[in-house]
Amino acid sequence: AQTVTQSQPEMSVQEAETVTLSCTYDTSESDYYLFWYKQPPSRQMILVIRQEAYKQQNATENRFSVNFQKAAKSFSLKISDSQLGDAAMYFCAYQTQNSGGSNYKLTFGKGTLLTVNP
Amino acid sequence: NAGVTQTPKFQVLKTGQSMTLQCAQDMNHEYMSWYRQDPGMGLRLIHYSVGAGITDQGEVPNGYNVSRSTTEDFPLRLLSAAPSQTSVYFCASGLFGLGVRGANVLTFGAGSRLTVL
Repeated sequence: AQTVTQSQPEMSVQEAETVTLSCTYDTSESDYYLFWYKQPPSRQMILVIRQEAYKQQNATENRFSVNFQKAAKSFSLKISDSQLGDAAMYFCAYQTQNSGGSNYKLTFGKGTLLTVNP
Repeated sequence: NAGVTQTPKFQVLKTGQSMTLQCAQDMNHEYMSWYRQDPGMGLRLIHYSVGAGITDQGEVPNGYNVSRSTTEDFPLRLLSAAPSQTSVYFCASGLFGLGVRGANVLTFGAGSRLTVL
């Protein structure tokens, strides 16, 4: 079974600075997707960024970028120019997409609570 | 476009009571799923469906039933609520074409907080 590990239960960053959230995963598959989701105090789950495992290029979305190391099974999230609105719980997630067809399950890590200090 | 709608947002039950959490989406998504979120545990998959008439178990299915009679709706039923089912429940849907290679993304509902006394 796939597992996703977020080793940092909590992180803090000063406004306008950069922070990196760590995520590692365990899988024997070669074809999968990785995601970072953000959950602010409103509780809504919001997609931050996604990465397809077959793509070597790291995904970026404005101030958010990932460092995807497939061999090391590592998928970290970098937030640049941190803003107060970035404060939230961040979840790393793995999605298998094997040839079986019905295995589109999302496995989440336990989350990292990010605090942004003004 | 309403997205994924969950009702109710809050519910308090007594042990042994039954209830249904409703989930509806208007995006014609084939895939729908239910997760529960507990402190320090992340989100864990309860049940999922890849289309009308097709459901399967996730990581923590015990105590929950689902059905998928239409593409739009995916209700989660608690037949006899237990305090261990106190949690926040999320419904999520997505376009997951069988054999389709692409980045498939889940759209989440706003969550339902359930307390079982």
